[in-house]
Amino acid sequence: RKEVEQDPGPFNVPEGATVAFNCTYSNSASQSFFWYRQDCRKEPKLLMSVYSSGNEDGRFTAQLNRASQYISLLIRDSKLSDSATYLCVVSFGQNFVFGPGTRLSVLP
Amino acid sequence: DTAVSQTPKYLVTQMGNDKSIKCEQNLGHDTMYWYKQDSKKFLKIMFSYNNKELIINETVPNRFSPKSPDKAHLNLHINSLELGDSAVYFCASSQDFGQQETQYFGPGTRLLVL
Repeated sequence: RKEVEQDPGPFNVPEGATVAFNCTYSNSASQSFFWYRQDCRKEPKLLMSVYSSGNEDGRFTAQLNRASQYISLLIRDSKLSDSATYLCVVSFGQNFVFGPGTRLSVLP
Repeated sequence: DTAVSQTPKYLVTQMGNDKSIKCEQNLGHDTMYWYKQDSKKFLKIMFSYNNKELIINETVPNRFSPKSPDKAHLNLHINSLELGDSAVYFCASSQDFGQQETQYFGPGTRLLVL
């Protein structure tokens, strides 16, 4: 089993749609969790950290389920500018593991 | 102002050559990293480094070596380049070594080995 797995995608959704991404991780000792966003031919950028209680930032909501070793990202009212690859990141110790990413295309 | 910068942006070279990629951060961070993103877009950590500790991903060939002249710079030297080294290499930095730290990435260096 890979350390971090994500929905393969691509997700093609119309503007205004709600879309959810899932991520699972294999190391139960993982301590910190993040969602990064990577635009085509650009560097990854932090979208949001994921906290145990779940957290929201505008149209974005992240949730963590430690028991199931599962992280999710929900995007509401999607915009054209949300089109990107979304990377799930899990860290344990000083090791950061990136998932393979899920590509999102928001269509007009 | 660019927070994390890398040079060159593109690098095309022949097999067997030795090359270096430079990275600089002006964020005052203590920790820097090198990542490799291959053609399948998997982003894998190669090195984590601060003034006290270097952590090497054991899967990285010893042809790759990080060199840090000071806290703001972490250069990547690659000896005897191979076709499989073709990838995008990202430098990143964070305030400190730690699981909670946000990493800030440079724009990437696209390496093509012919």
